[in-house]
Amino acid sequence: RKEVEQDPGPFNVPEGATVAFNCTYSNSASQSFFWYRQDCRKEPKLLMSVYSSGNEDGRFTAQLNRASQYISLLIRDSKLSDSATYLCVVTQRGYQKVTFGTGTKLQVIP
Amino acid sequence: EPEVTQTPSHQVTQMGQEVILRCVPISNHLYFYWYRQILGQKVEFLVSFYNNEISEKSEIFDDQFSVERPDGSNFTLKIRSTKLEDSAMYFCASRHRDSLTYEQYFGPGTRLTVT
Repeated sequence: RKEVEQDPGPFNVPEGATVAFNCTYSNSASQSFFWYRQDCRKEPKLLMSVYSSGNEDGRFTAQLNRASQYISLLIRDSKLSDSATYLCVVTQRGYQKVTFGTGTKLQVIP
Repeated sequence: EPEVTQTPSHQVTQMGQEVILRCVPISNHLYFYWYRQILGQKVEFLVSFYNNEISEKSEIFDDQFSVERPDGSNFTLKIRSTKLEDSAMYFCASRHRDSLTYEQYFGPGTRLTVT
């Protein structure tokens, strides 16, 4: 089983739609969880950290389920500018070991 | 806004040659990282560095790789004898020690092409 697993997509959604991505991780000792976005041929950029209590930032909501070892990202009211690859990131050992998922590609269409 | 910078943006080298990729992390950051991303594949962790020593490295980071912080600002990745399969985008990242969110700031990357 891969350390961090994501559905590669692509997810093609119309503007205004709600879309959700999941990510599963295999190491139960994982400590911190994040969603990054990566535009084509650019560096990853932090979208949001993911907490057990769940957290929301505008149109984005992230959830963590430690028992089932998955995290999720919900994007409401999709914009064209949300088109990107969304990377699930999991860390261990005090954030010194970092594992990226393969990413889920989102294409928002007009 | 402070940012991580990397040079060069693109490096072409011949197989067997040594390359040094350079990064200037954000000035008050204390944790530094190198990642690589082969075209079309996922971002892969190579190494983390803190307090002038490697704190964690992946299985990719073998004897042909080394990192150094030669002065107070630069953080370098050296690949001793490049192979074709080393062709990838290499990202440097840094993190502030006290960051509650553990946010890493990534540089724009160096595209390494080994011919």
